Amino acid sequence: GNSVTQMEGPVTLSEEAFLTINCTYTATGYPSLFWYVQYPGEGLQLLLKATKADDKGSNKGFEATYRKETTSFHLEKGSVQVSDSAVYFCALRGAPIQGAQKLVFGQGTRLTINP
Amino acid sequence: AAGVIQSPRHLIKEKRETATLKCYPIPRHDTVYWYQQGPGQDPQFLISFYEKMQSDKGSIPDRFSAQQFSDYHSELNMSSLELGDSALYFCASSLVLAGGPYEQYFGPGTRLTVT
Repeated sequence: GNSVTQMEGPVTLSEEAFLTINCTYTATGYPSLFWYVQYPGEGLQLLLKATKADDKGSNKGFEATYRKETTSFHLEKGSVQVSDSAVYFCALRGAPIQGAQKLVFGQGTRLTINP
Repeated sequence: AAGVIQSPRHLIKEKRETATLKCYPIPRHDTVYWYQQGPGQDPQFLISFYEKMQSDKGSIPDRFSAQQFSDYHSELNMSSLELGDSALYFCASSLVLAGGPYEQYFGPGTRLTVT
């Protein structure tokens, strides 16, 4: 079945540092890939997405590129801020021909940014 | 823009009691998903409904049931509650028709505590 493996946390960085959170996946066909962010006490917010190979999703300074050859969707940001502190989830949605549209999540990575 | 509404936001129940969680999707969305997130865990898919019919089923206990009504809102009914049911329950909605599926938008969640 489909699965997502995410870089284990927690990750602690200083403000303005470069961020990478690794995410790799296992799936048949051509899934869609997502990054969701969960701030303390809140629900899941879609951060960015990519629906086909070589697509780059970007939002709020975050970027991730859908790499089919390495089955990866690593999240990056060039200069993090204290307000980026949250839990980040990589997620996969199977190709539409597979019928089920549920999201499969990685384990989540807790990010803390210190001033 | 309207978001996914969940009620109640917090619920405290005792073991063996029942609970009903409600979800109101974004207007015109035709699909509802339920996820369960245990403490420090990633969200796990429970069940989904497309146009009021169950479309997929995940790791939902037999003690739980759900349905989607004619106005597209959904309810998750949980009986014989156990301590292990304590979790954050998310509802998400998406639009599958008209060239979809599109991304899932999550509600703020219902935090269920079983004592």
